[in-house]
Amino acid sequence: QSALTQPASVSGSPGQSITISCTGTSSDVGGYNYVSWYQQHPGKAPKLMIYDVSNRPSGVSNRFSGSKSGTSASLAITGLQAEDEADYYCQSYDSSLSGVVFGGGTKLTVL
Amino acid sequence: EVQLVESGGGLVQPGGSLRLSCAASGFTFSSYDMHWVRQATGKGLEWVSAIGTAGDTYYPGSVKGRFTISRENAKNSLYLQMNSLRAEDTAVYYCAREGDLSLRDWGQGTLVTVSS
Repeated sequence: QSALTQPASVSGSPGQSITISCTGTSSDVGGYNYVSWYQQHPGKAPKLMIYDVSNRPSGVSNRFSGSKSGTSASLAITGLQAEDEADYYCQSYDSSLSGVVFGGGTKLTVL
Repeated sequence: EVQLVESGGGLVQPGGSLRLSCAASGFTFSSYDMHWVRQATGKGLEWVSAIGTAGDTYYPGSVKGRFTISRENAKNSLYLQMNSLRAEDTAVYYCAREGDLSLRDWGQGTLVTVSS
């Protein structure tokens, strides 16, 4: 069982927008602004898309954005493209572990 | 360009040991915390261990006491010593460079299979 809860799947049509939620507790998501999001295509390593809740690394499209409210965080993707089809994982710092925790992952299907 | 290259994976019997290595380049290795993360086939990401710049180490309960993370800054290398391996440790193991508690760069992974 994953420490952070994500929906197993979401879908959207090209050009549409979607959001993926990530729910934790006060020991992780709710306690720190250290929420990250990763994109993973099949057979590839994860790629950092969002860090510190809402910051994008250099080179990541501004179609990707992050936010947080209380113990839940969200990843939004606007203007869906076929290349966005992938698995997405949230991650937070967990003070009870003194380490990091991941969500179970969400499979994004672009219809 | 940051590069992380894992090696050392393979087939090992239950109860056996394996040592993974991660060769880092393109950044000042000694200045960054480093992590190991694993992923079983068809499953999600699972944090395995972390080591700070001062050599402080951290583990989740699932591997604590069995796995040991270490680093050799002079060789720009990260290691994971895995003992008492179990079938459930079968996974692709990634090393990753941390920046502000996010995992900024990842290697391509090395497969560990625990089976008799």
